[in-house]
Amino acid sequence: EVQLVESGGGLVQPGGSLRLSCAASGFTFSGHWMHWVRQAPGKGLVWVSHISGDGGTITYADFVKGRFTISRDNAKNTLYLQMSSLRAEDTAVYFCVRGIGSGWFDPWGQGTLVTVSS
Amino acid sequence: DIVMTQSPDSLAVSLGERATINCKSSQSLLYSNKDFLAWYQQKPGQPPKLLISWASTRESGVPDRFTGSGSGTAFTLTISSLQTEDVAVYYCQQYYSTPQTFGQGTKVEIK
Repeated sequence: EVQLVESGGGLVQPGGSLRLSCAASGFTFSGHWMHWVRQAPGKGLVWVSHISGDGGTITYADFVKGRFTISRDNAKNTLYLQMSSLRAEDTAVYFCVRGIGSGWFDPWGQGTLVTVSS
Repeated sequence: DIVMTQSPDSLAVSLGERATINCKSSQSLLYSNKDFLAWYQQKPGQPPKLLISWASTRESGVPDRFTGSGSGTAFTLTISSLQTEDVAVYYCQQYYSTPQTFGQGTKVEIK
């Protein structure tokens, strides 16, 4: 069974940092692009970042560029999102998702909640 | 960035009746005879679930009452006979270009 399990969320003060992890299982991790998508409370879905299977291609949404860093460890089947200079508007559930084919997402992890507040 | 706009924002449909959700993109999603559009279902407290890719290809295990249609810039998700378990928010997503973008969501409820 394909599984994605996020961890690392929590409460952080504005300007702080947090690292999210996503443990993948049930598929060939290195063979897939991986993405982070976030959802603010009561709001819609917003793509944050993606990384190619070999880690050689990385893209960020403009609103996190320079503040967030996506990475992966294919030996550990784990995806990461290092978040720094966090702002209140970064408060959201962060989903780890597997990229399929030309770019749709399946499956989604359960998500991890990041709350940025003083 | 490609802007995805769904309508309506919410709708209430009687059990067994048809629900129709529209999705429009700010530019064509058609390339090489394929439309780069997916539909997702998100139930309360759960992550989204992929229903349809390539605008009309239903995922394995998705009930056939869910149908995706349309091409270019205008797409539709139809639930032919609404069931209780279909209460959810539905999102369209374009994967024609990065950043992949989503519609704002359509909330489907029982009337």
